[in-house]
Amino acid sequence: EAGVTQSPTHLIKTRGQQATLRCSPISGHTSVYWYQQALGLGLQFLLWYDEGEERNRGNFPPRFSGRQFPNYSSELNVNALELEDSALYLCASSLEGWSDTQYFGPGTRLTVL
Amino acid sequence: AQTVTQSQPEMSVQEAETVTLSCTYDTSENNYYLFWYKQPPSRQMILVIRQEAYKQQNATENRFSVNFQKAAKSFSLKISDSQLGDTAMYFCAFMNRRYGGSQGNLIFGKGTKLSVKP
Repeated sequence: EAGVTQSPTHLIKTRGQQATLRCSPISGHTSVYWYQQALGLGLQFLLWYDEGEERNRGNFPPRFSGRQFPNYSSELNVNALELEDSALYLCASSLEGWSDTQYFGPGTRLTVL
Repeated sequence: AQTVTQSQPEMSVQEAETVTLSCTYDTSENNYYLFWYKQPPSRQMILVIRQEAYKQQNATENRFSVNFQKAAKSFSLKISDSQLGDTAMYFCAFMNRRYGGSQGNLIFGKGTKLSVKP
């Protein structure tokens, strides 16, 4: 069974640009979660999508947004990039929604210059 | 608000020996999960073990076991017969399972960097 996949592996952008990160959940999983792992800040919850809807978001500004597609894959968009957005972005999926175990993908390393 | 604390930023252990990683958490909830994840240098976050708060029995997965002390809000991970492949960052995480609470998000500790030496 394939795990959670993310693309691209690495992404380099300049300040002010937009970044789009993609995630495909484990087959059969309907919930997708996004986390930011920035140096010195640890792992912080960004967004949770389930059945195509945003269900919860962490303490991040609105320029962090995303969506979930009918096939349950998801993308995370970061607008007006700032230097401090440089981080590893991890996607996770779960089978039964918010109360179930989350399985993670390999992450996308975003570097903002 | 829930918090998770890992007080050991770094630890090392000799191959084949046993090591215990500490984690404490703070919550007023009764229904929750606790997890240990490992993140090797490849950066893939891998689930190690899960503990359900309402279960008194400590979870085990092969060489990995936990000591769950609910009253003390302590959740330590024991790795037996340590292997070189166990070298990684280990994160303790909390998930609230009460409907209506903060949903969907894992709350992570800062991590413990474990080095297994040959």
